Amino acid sequence: AQSVSQHNHHVILSEAASLELGCNYSYGGTVNLFWYVQYPGQHLQLLLKYFSGDPLVKGIKGFEAEFIKSKFSFNLRKPSVQWSDTAEYFCAVRYTGRRALTFGSGTRLQVQP
Amino acid sequence: NAGVTQTPKFRILKIGQSMTLQCTQDMNHNYMYWYRQDPGMGLKLIYYSVGAGITDKGEVPNGYNVSRSTTEDFPLRLELAAPSQTSVYFCASSEVDSGNTIYFGEGSWLTVV
Repeated sequence: AQSVSQHNHHVILSEAASLELGCNYSYGGTVNLFWYVQYPGQHLQLLLKYFSGDPLVKGIKGFEAEFIKSKFSFNLRKPSVQWSDTAEYFCAVRYTGRRALTFGSGTRLQVQP
Repeated sequence: NAGVTQTPKFRILKIGQSMTLQCTQDMNHNYMYWYRQDPGMGLKLIYYSVGAGITDKGEVPNGYNVSRSTTEDFPLRLELAAPSQTSVYFCASSEVDSGNTIYFGEGSWLTVV
C-alpha cells in the first residue's frame, strides 16, 4: 500500500537550532511531494511542494526540502528555527493516478525560547 | 478572504445520533475533499468530489455520506455515530486535483460518547 512515514513524532528544539524533519514514502512511480504546516489554532497551510526539476525546493518562512529519489525521501530543513515555528508539520504525497494526497502522521515541533 | 469554511468547530454527539458537517468554499474550486485526523495519525481521506454532482470514496468512507449539489458546498453526513468516528475532520479544496495547492478549513472536532 502507498504510505508516507514521518519518523519524528515530537521534536523539541531551542531557538536558533537547525531543524531537519524526515519524510519517506513508499514506491509508487512518479510523485508530487508536499509539506504542510498547522500552527496552533489554525488550518493547514502549504509550506512547499515539489513536482519536478531542482530537487532542492525552497518554501515560505525560510524552509526548504530536498527530494532524494533513490531514498524515497523528502526531508524538511530550516537552518535556524524561531519560536514562531512551533507547529505540526505534515508530509504529503500525491501518487500518480490518485486524486488526493496521502499524508504522513505529522511531526509536532516545539521551539523553546 | 474566507477560503474554506467549516461548521461546526466543536460538537459532541451521542452514539447513534446523526449530524452533518458543513463545508463551503468561495474560490470556485472544482475539487473538494473530506479528511479525518486521529491522534498520532495522518490525515485519512473519507470522500472527495471532482465537481458538482460527482463524488467518490476515499480510504475510510464507511459510516459517512456526502453530496455535492453546488460547486461551493460539500457537506459530510455522519449516520448512526459511533465512538470510532471521534476525530478531527478537515474539509479542503483545490482548483484542479491535488497536484495543485490544497486549501484546508480550520477543522471540526467531533466527539462521540
